[in-house]
Amino acid sequence: DIQMTQSPSSLSASVGDRVTITCRASQSISSYLNWFQHKPGKAPKLLIYAASSLQSGVPSTFSGSGSGTDFTLTISSLQPEDFATYSCQQIYTTPYTFGQGTKLEIK
Amino acid sequence: QVQLVQSGAEVKKPGSSVKVSCKASGGTFSSYAINWVRQAPGQGLEWMGGIIPIFGRATYAQNFQGRVTITTDETTSTAYMELSSLRSEDTAVYYCASGGIRFDYWGQGTLVTVSS
Repeated sequence: DIQMTQSPSSLSASVGDRVTITCRASQSISSYLNWFQHKPGKAPKLLIYAASSLQSGVPSTFSGSGSGTDFTLTISSLQPEDFATYSCQQIYTTPYTFGQGTKLEIK
Repeated sequence: QVQLVQSGAEVKKPGSSVKVSCKASGGTFSSYAINWVRQAPGQGLEWMGGIIPIFGRATYAQNFQGRVTITTDETTSTAYMELSSLRSEDTAVYYCASGGIRFDYWGQGTLVTVSS
């Protein structure tokens, strides 16, 4: 199975900050990577697909980059509603494994 | 706009089985893969398996091989996930997700609690 490792596991930041979350795959997955945001009691929400494509309706403050084994999710200016957990997922091959999640908290 | 509506919360005894449904509306049910993902308390997301209704053959994660069965009913645009030999570690919120490998659309989640 492909292992997905996110860092950091948790992150404290303030409204207006720029934050970056990284995701590393244990082998090359080309650009077959999704990023999700999830909040307690709600279903995960797709933010980015194909590593860098912004899902319709997602604010342009979110962006993704990378290919191969190293990927990043960047939020350029944190808004109050962005405090949540973020997970990457490889969809290169089954099983479609997720990272362990990065919890973004208010400083 | 695709909507996925899942069945309600379940409480099960260890060793029993649970079957969760996921009814789709607003899209072409048969063409896109439906996946099942779970999240145990304090844990990350875990892909369990998926199926493309038009092909009818499911793929499962090795962790669940032999315990999970994913099926679809095209007449009602409903997908099902049945998990057997339940243990306490299977306590989790179970989600269906559609839209192929983009996982665009998600059900609201079904809490399954396994407790004696």
